[in-house]
Amino acid sequence: DQQVKQNSPSLSVQEGRISILNCDYTNSMFDYFLWYKKYPAEGPTFLISISSIKDKNEDGRFTVFLNKSAKHLSLHIVPSQPGDSAVYFCAASAGNNRKLIWGLGTSLAVNP
Amino acid sequence: EAGVAQSPRYKIIEKRQSVAFWCNPISGHATLYWYQQILGQGPKLLIQFQNNGVVDDSQLPKDRFSAERLKGVDSTLKIQPAKLEDSAVYLCASSRLLGTQYFGPGTRLLVL
Repeated sequence: DQQVKQNSPSLSVQEGRISILNCDYTNSMFDYFLWYKKYPAEGPTFLISISSIKDKNEDGRFTVFLNKSAKHLSLHIVPSQPGDSAVYFCAASAGNNRKLIWGLGTSLAVNP
Repeated sequence: EAGVAQSPRYKIIEKRQSVAFWCNPISGHATLYWYQQILGQGPKLLIQFQNNGVVDDSQLPKDRFSAERLKGVDSTLKIQPAKLEDSAVYLCASSRLLGTQYFGPGTRLLVL
């Protein structure tokens, strides 16, 4: 049972345009959400996070939006750059041990 | 600040052999995680340590996998005997108590 779902396995965007990556979750107990970026042959790199008490968090070109009623979050990258081409994972946690539950990832390709 | 270190980066073994992976977390990080990531999936938590105690090992196949963090710093993960389905990337991550997890580069294991 996939508690964190990234329904788009891949996304292709033109350089300079906006990239929107989506993530849905089923467990209403999740209270902290993270996005990680992964390049081939490297470990995931933390990108941005959001607590369930907020609906938006921004860091430079990256913004995460959280819609708790829809159990949906999205990552916006503006403007997209070729170096952003990677696999993006959404992860969620709840409870005292902060165990991360991961989505399957979305492969983003930013074309020059 | 040095990141999470892992070795070896790559390992090829035959089934039924044993293998060990090593991880040195970021200095001062109390919590250490071992994940298994199979191609096309998100990371799956195998075991979580807080200092030298186990917090969660519910998904560790204990008949063949073992892990230790004797002095609360570096850690080893062992597989004995290995099976074909153990072919994956083994990721180590660390965090301050239950904060954001930072990942090492991973060890790619191929079992033939």
